[in-house]
Amino acid sequence: NAGVTQTPKFRILKIGQSMTLQCTQDMNHNYMYWYRQDPGMGLKLIYYSVGAGITDKGEVPNGYNVSRSTTEDFPLRLELAAPSQTSVYFCASSGYNEQFFGPGTRLTVL
Amino acid sequence: EDQVTQSPEALRLQEGESSSLNCSYTVSGLRGLFWYRQDPGKGPEFLFTLYSAGEEKEKERLKATLTKKESFLHITAPKPEDSATYLCAVQAFGNEKLTFGTGTRLTIIP
Repeated sequence: NAGVTQTPKFRILKIGQSMTLQCTQDMNHNYMYWYRQDPGMGLKLIYYSVGAGITDKGEVPNGYNVSRSTTEDFPLRLELAAPSQTSVYFCASSGYNEQFFGPGTRLTVL
Repeated sequence: EDQVTQSPEALRLQEGESSSLNCSYTVSGLRGLFWYRQDPGKGPEFLFTLYSAGEEKEKERLKATLTKKESFLHITAPKPEDSATYLCAVQAFGNEKLTFGTGTRLTIIP
């Protein structure tokens, strides 16, 4: 089992550009999550999904969009990137209890 | 609103010097309290889940305990490889989401 995988590992965007962060899990988990982590701020939930076709907003959804067409994949879309979206992004999945995290994507918006 | 406060923010110990990390929480009906370890540049790695006051769990040099208001992560005779940031999170009943603290950065000096 690869667990939770994320691509890319690093990315630099210009202000106004768009991109999609990919997340895939092979544990057949229903629940999937996107977090961002900023220094000293802890993990903040952006969006989550309780199953294919179902998504909901977390604490900090503005500027992001998600979709969940399969159990395995949960991509995060950034439209019109802004410097405030510079952060490390983590995807996680969960069966019933603990969440398992991917290795993260470090995004810089200049 | 669920809240998690971790203390201290940072802790430096000599190798072999035992200590404890604190996680204070307020939650509307605790479903689970989670401890994670995060190494620099990596995603959080699951350590323990605690469900009810009085519960304890151990893994190598780590032991997690839970009361109705706080959890402690005790580290006994730590080694340099235990250096990491330790994150605490809570989940309320009826809630698919976790609320994270900002973590304790632990450094073990050889």
